[in-house]
Amino acid sequence: NAGVTQTPKFQVLKTGQSMTLQCAQDMNHNSMYWYRQDPGMGLRLIYYSASEGTTDKGEVPNGYNVSRLNKREFSLRLESAAPSQTSVYFCASSTSTGGEAFFGQGTRLTVV
Amino acid sequence: AQSVAQPEDQVNVAEGNPLTVKCTYSVSGNPYLFWYVQYPNRGLQFLLKYITGDNLVKGSYGFEAEFNKSQTSFHLKKPSALVSDSALYFCAVRGFNDYKLSFGAGTTVTVRA
Repeated sequence: NAGVTQTPKFQVLKTGQSMTLQCAQDMNHNSMYWYRQDPGMGLRLIYYSASEGTTDKGEVPNGYNVSRLNKREFSLRLESAAPSQTSVYFCASSTSTGGEAFFGQGTRLTVV
Repeated sequence: AQSVAQPEDQVNVAEGNPLTVKCTYSVSGNPYLFWYVQYPNRGLQFLLKYITGDNLVKGSYGFEAEFNKSQTSFHLKKPSALVSDSALYFCAVRGFNDYKLSFGAGTTVTVRA
């Protein structure tokens, strides 16, 4: 039982490049989330998906797009990376509104 | 809009002393409240949650939290802190029938021997 798996773990991009962060969960959870973590700012919600087929914007969606590919997978895409998107990105999943979220190990992204 | 405030960036305590990490929240309707811990270069680990019922919630590693509806607070407590409790702690809130999960800025706890 792997829980929430994120790939890659580390990535360096040049300004203007694009990339997709992958997230998969094997816990049959309905809800999935993407956060970014920056020093002193905590975890800020980028996008979330309440269930398969739905996605909603969080607090900081600009510059990102998401795809809920199926119940297991929720990807985050940066179309044109900017240095301001240098951050640690976390994916999470949960069963329902009252269930706790389970987190992946994070992706450390640097945009130069 | 829902939000979480953790008023202290850092909390420093001596080993064996009580530890309190403060959290206040704002949400429409009844809240679901959570505490998480993050060790260096690791993901977040769930500690405890309040859904409904008893205002005092007990969780992992000897931690507990008290829900106070009138003060919209959910403070994390541990009666006797350990050096190994040194970490970054996050409070989170979700509204009833809402899937959006919002986190506070985090509080760094340092327990000195």
